[in-house]
Amino acid sequence: GENVEQHPSTLSVQEGDSAVIKCTYSDSASNYFPWYKQELGKGPQLIIDIRSNVGEKKDQRIAVTLNKTAKHFSLHITETQPEDSAVYFCAASSGGTSYGKLTFGQGTILTVHP
Amino acid sequence: EAEVAQSPRYKITEKSQAVAFWCDPISGHATLYWYRQILGQGPELLVQFQDESVVDDSQLPKDRFSAERLKGVDSTLKIQPAELGDSAMYLCASEGIELRGEQFFGPGTRLTVL
Repeated sequence: GENVEQHPSTLSVQEGDSAVIKCTYSDSASNYFPWYKQELGKGPQLIIDIRSNVGEKKDQRIAVTLNKTAKHFSLHITETQPEDSAVYFCAASSGGTSYGKLTFGQGTILTVHP
Repeated sequence: EAEVAQSPRYKITEKSQAVAFWCDPISGHATLYWYRQILGQGPELLVQFQDESVVDDSQLPKDRFSAERLKGVDSTLKIQPAELGDSAMYLCASEGIELRGEQFFGPGTRLTVL
């Protein structure tokens, strides 16, 4: 099955700096790569996603890049703000008969210091 | 804005007792997922429904866990008997047809087994 590795496990930045979180996946059939933000005591919230036919996608301060050849994708947050502090998860969809099945990375705890 | 509803939000039980969790997906979403999230880890799929049918329950511990979605709308996940290792967050997610792959999560049920 699919395996997703996420790095770093913790990331601390100053307000206004950029933050980058990287993930690798193992299944070349994966074709959908979402990123979720999870705040304490809440369910994961979808913040951005990318499909295999696109190399990069941007939404205001958040961008995601995908390299299918290398099987890795990254989340970029620019001009970080304290409210960006949360746990971020990457995920990959393994496709096939279970199109929507997501395999998650282990998560990155992002702390943005004012 | 449509949301996935879950109840209860918190549940404390003693081992060997039975517990049940309820999920109401976003209206019109045919696909429903139950995930388990152990503290400090990413969510892991337990079961996936398409309407009232189980699509994937390969990771569901069937000796003690059961899930149903009788009318293809809301769903119930049951554990009987609960064990100490079942302490975790149980998350429900739903997915619509329009944007395949995009899963929207509920707030989760935090289970503590004593």
